[in-house]
Amino acid sequence: GQQVMQIPQYQHVQEGEDFTTYCNSSTTLSNIQWYKQRPGGHPVFLIQLVKSGEVKKQKRLTFQFGEAKKNSSLHITATQTTDVGTYFCAGKWDDKIIFGKGTRLHILP
Amino acid sequence: KAGVTQTPRYLIKTRGQQVTLSCSPISGHRSVSWYQQTPGQGLQFLFEYFSETQRNKGNFPGRFSGRQFSNSRSEMNVSTLELGDSALYLCASSRGLENTEAFFGQGTRLTVV
Repeated sequence: GQQVMQIPQYQHVQEGEDFTTYCNSSTTLSNIQWYKQRPGGHPVFLIQLVKSGEVKKQKRLTFQFGEAKKNSSLHITATQTTDVGTYFCAGKWDDKIIFGKGTRLHILP
Repeated sequence: KAGVTQTPRYLIKTRGQQVTLSCSPISGHRSVSWYQQTPGQGLQFLFEYFSETQRNKGNFPGRFSGRQFSNSRSEMNVSTLELGDSALYLCASSRGLENTEAFFGQGTRLTVV
């Protein structure tokens, strides 16, 4: 069946280093959303990408949607301790929504 | 304005019982989605309701059901509980069906013993 694969599962970075998480879908998506979940918290919406090749920025976060609308990435520049949490992508097609398993980001001081 | 409210926050049930969870969306939001979150499977989509109609459904057995009321509040029910149903159940509301931001509630943590 349709899948949204997200890698890596875990990532440890030194504070100040960059971080990237990737999502790949087996199906062309109508859109993709990104969420962040802090430990013990609930997912919080970050952004939605709709157009092929779209790139959006939020301060130190850069989101990309692939040309084929099958993959997406989230890149964080110069990570800070506040970036700790699990980042999920959620792909949508045919009114179905499938979340990736998330990338858990740990920041080493 | 108030966020998405889920009740109860915590619940312990025994195998074979049934449970009903409640979700009150943000005022003005007409779409409510339910998700199951477990350490092993991550976030899995259960179903989505819009204007009291189930619009989408994930791959869960028929023991999982839901409904939405005219005020957009939603309930989900799980019958004949199994140990594997222990999870965090999250509800998310949004204004509409297409391309809209979803706001999650704090979730209901269900433990089946």
